[in-house]
Amino acid sequence: DQQVKQNSPSLSVQEGRISILNCDYTNSMFDYFLWYKKYPAEGPTFLISISSIKDKNEDGRFTVFLNKSAKHLSLHIVPSQPGDSAVYFCAAGIQGAQKLVFGQGTRLTINP
Amino acid sequence: NAGVTQTPKFQVLKTGQSMTLQCAQDMNHEYMSWYRQDPGMGLRLIHYSVGAGITDQGEVPNGYNVSRSTTEDFPLRLLSAAPSQTSVYFCASSNAGTGHYGYTFGSGTRLTVV
Repeated sequence: DQQVKQNSPSLSVQEGRISILNCDYTNSMFDYFLWYKKYPAEGPTFLISISSIKDKNEDGRFTVFLNKSAKHLSLHIVPSQPGDSAVYFCAAGIQGAQKLVFGQGTRLTINP
Repeated sequence: NAGVTQTPKFQVLKTGQSMTLQCAQDMNHEYMSWYRQDPGMGLRLIHYSVGAGITDQGEVPNGYNVSRSTTEDFPLRLLSAAPSQTSVYFCASSNAGTGHYGYTFGSGTRLTVV
């Protein structure tokens, strides 16, 4: 039972355009959501997070949107840069529990 | 450098062999966990610990043991390696007391069981 799903294994975007990565979850108890970025041969690194009391969180070129009624979150990267090419994982958890559930990941490729 | 250190980076085992994957953090984080990454499966939780002396099972614990005798160290033991345990293993730590639930990950151990 996959509680966190990223249905797009890969995404290709032109440099300078917007990248939109999507994530769906099934457990309504989740109240904290995060995005991680992973380069080859490295561990995932934290990118941005959002609490369920918000519907948007912005950090520079990265914005995460949360739609609780649809149990859906998305990561927008604007403008996309070649260095953004990586695998992106979304994760969900319950505040206070610290245990995170991860999605399958989406490989983002930014083309020059 | 502060962070999570995993050793070894690469390992090849024969079926039936046992080994321990090491994980150490120097950030005084209470929470530590082990994940495995497989193609198309994302990161799946094996075991986790909320503090020294306390461990619990995650989503895929079979074939693995852990212990947490100190805050810094959280080793993962493979009891009798099987080809299905071929994977990349990541150790992570966090300190929710800061209000931030993001994990700090190690750089991973790539394990091949033949």
